[in-house]
Amino acid sequence: NAGVTQTPKFRVLKTGQSMTLLCAQDMNHEYMYWYRQDPGMGLRLIHYSVGEGTTAKGEVPDGYNVSRLKKQNFLLGLESAAPSQTSVYFCASSLAEAQYFGPGTRLLVL
Amino acid sequence: KNEVEQSPQNLTAQEGEFITINCSYSVGISALHWLQQHPGGGIVSLFMLSSGKKKHGRLIATINIQEKHSSLHITASHPRDSAVYICAVSSGGSNYKLTFGKGTLLTVNP
Repeated sequence: NAGVTQTPKFRVLKTGQSMTLLCAQDMNHEYMYWYRQDPGMGLRLIHYSVGEGTTAKGEVPDGYNVSRLKKQNFLLGLESAAPSQTSVYFCASSLAEAQYFGPGTRLLVL
Repeated sequence: KNEVEQSPQNLTAQEGEFITINCSYSVGISALHWLQQHPGGGIVSLFMLSSGKKKHGRLIATINIQEKHSSLHITASHPRDSAVYICAVSSGGSNYKLTFGKGTLLTVNP
């Protein structure tokens, strides 16, 4: 089992460009989460999903959209990237309390 | 919203020392998690506990529900223990969302 995977691992964008981060899990987990991690801030929840076809806003959802068309995949979209979205993005999945994290995507917006 | 505070923010130790990292939270929880993140690396779950004490190798986690406080201890610390240790809490509900502390950066020198 691969667990939770994220693509890409690293990306550089120019302000205004769009991109999609892909999270995939092979553990048949219902719950999936997108976080961003910034220095001195800790992990913050962007959006989450409690099942296929459902999504909900987290703590810092502005500027991001998500989709969960398939149970195993959770996509995070940036429609018009801004320098403030420079961060490390982590995806996680869970059956219940314990969350399993992906390796992260480092995004730099110039 | 649960507030999660960790102390200290940074900790430097000599190999072999006994390490303690503290975590306090403001509102009742269903579970507390300790996570480990090596520099540039992914996030791994160490413990999930809702009462008492858990031990895994040289790591021990304790929680005092009445005082809303948890500690992570590392016995006989080693340079490979150098990492960021993150405390997170889940407050129940149907979405298993976590609230994270800002992390403690531990450096163990040989």
